[in-house]
Amino acid sequence: ILNVEQSPQSLHVQEGDSTNFTCSFPSSNFYALHWYRWETAKSPEALFVMTLNGDEKKKGRISATLNTKEGYSYLYIKGSQPEDSATYLCAFKGSARQLTFGSGTQLTVLP
Amino acid sequence: DVKVTQSSRYLVKRTGEKVFLECVQDMDHENMFWYRQDPGLGLRLIYFSYDVKMKEKGDIPEGYSVSREKKERFSLILESASTNQTSMYLCASTPGGGTDTQYFGPGTRLTVL
Repeated sequence: ILNVEQSPQSLHVQEGDSTNFTCSFPSSNFYALHWYRWETAKSPEALFVMTLNGDEKKKGRISATLNTKEGYSYLYIKGSQPEDSATYLCAFKGSARQLTFGSGTQLTVLP
Repeated sequence: DVKVTQSSRYLVKRTGEKVFLECVQDMDHENMFWYRQDPGLGLRLIYFSYDVKMKEKGDIPEGYSVSREKKERFSLILESASTNQTSMYLCASTPGGGTDTQYFGPGTRLTVL
């Protein structure tokens, strides 16, 4: 079983703060790295799919970077809002057909 | 919009009961997946299917079986439910053809007493 780790496990920030968290994954046999957002009582939704070393993706105030050589991805949220409160999941796609998910970072944005 | 639905949001069963969790997707996706989510462990793959009547074991298939008789429907079966199967179960689908983005259902929170 592949090792995909996310840190921190949970995070509390004040509204307006910027924050970031990390996903670590195997640096060999890399195919893609996914980020999902999972809000309470909703379905997880895809944020980004990243495939190239050095990739940067952005959606509104959320952005992500990818380093496949060292096996990590950062997710950044600029000016956090209460509606950003969710669990953020990363998932690694290697040579296997399926994704391997990390355990998630639970973000709480306090008003 | 892709819609993935699951038969129940909450389910309470007794130890030893046979449990069926149903998942239906409406976008003609090739691939379907069953995960369970437990605190601190993330999503763990139980079974997946790349075609009708086809199934492959994921990382934690023990105690589970699946059925895919139609393309749009993927069922997870707990033959004899046990308390350690209390969990959140998520179904997902992907279009196939190299597109791996997962479209998830809302989840079923199963409690086995």
